[in-house]
Amino acid sequence: AQSVSQHNHHVILSEAASLELGCNYSYGGTVNLFWYVQYPGQHLQLLLKYFSGDPLVKGIKGFEAEFIKSKFSFNLRKPSVQWSDTAEYFCALSGYSTLTFGKGTMLLVSP
Amino acid sequence: DTEVTQTPKHLVMGMTNKKSLKCEQHMGHRAMYWYKQKAKKPPELMFVYSYEKLSINESVPSRFSPECPNSSLLNLHLHALQPEDSALYLCASSQRGRGRDNNEQFFGPGTRLTVL
Repeated sequence: AQSVSQHNHHVILSEAASLELGCNYSYGGTVNLFWYVQYPGQHLQLLLKYFSGDPLVKGIKGFEAEFIKSKFSFNLRKPSVQWSDTAEYFCALSGYSTLTFGKGTMLLVSP
Repeated sequence: DTEVTQTPKHLVMGMTNKKSLKCEQHMGHRAMYWYKQKAKKPPELMFVYSYEKLSINESVPSRFSPECPNSSLLNLHLHALQPEDSALYLCASSQRGRGRDNNEQFFGPGTRLTVL
């Protein structure tokens, strides 16, 4: 079985603060990992993905994530958040049985 | 073209109505998916089509009926829905079916369904 766990359900930050959202996964095989973002009232958008190679992955809008195999983690980071980053963030794992999402983290950035 | 399109964007239907959701992709992908997403929750997988054949049905009630007329199109036929079926219905496609590496799914914008 495969599963994804996101540590925080809600995160509140001020603009310019640094962000790190935790994601841990459970899967015994080769993993493909993703972070998706969903802005209020909008659809899912892919922020970044990891398939293989460099464990530090850079995505859109200044986001990056680091795959640490020994910790089964794929944490999302951004050095300085903006009000427009307010959204729901989902970590996802693609293993043998399609795509499994974490429960999501709601990020609220106050101006 | 790296887009998955879905129609309609919004749909309001009564419990006795029959309606259909449509999804289209022209990326040559051979796997297509239906997800249901409730507010503040992650998408939940409903169906997977691989090479135009239904390969996964996640115990979805029969009032939801998927159809894959060809490799580019995916429909979801709705009949006798309940108010709790109100949700955002997302379609996705990927190059290959399950169990394959580098299998990124591309999501459509969704159809927001309200059942009265």
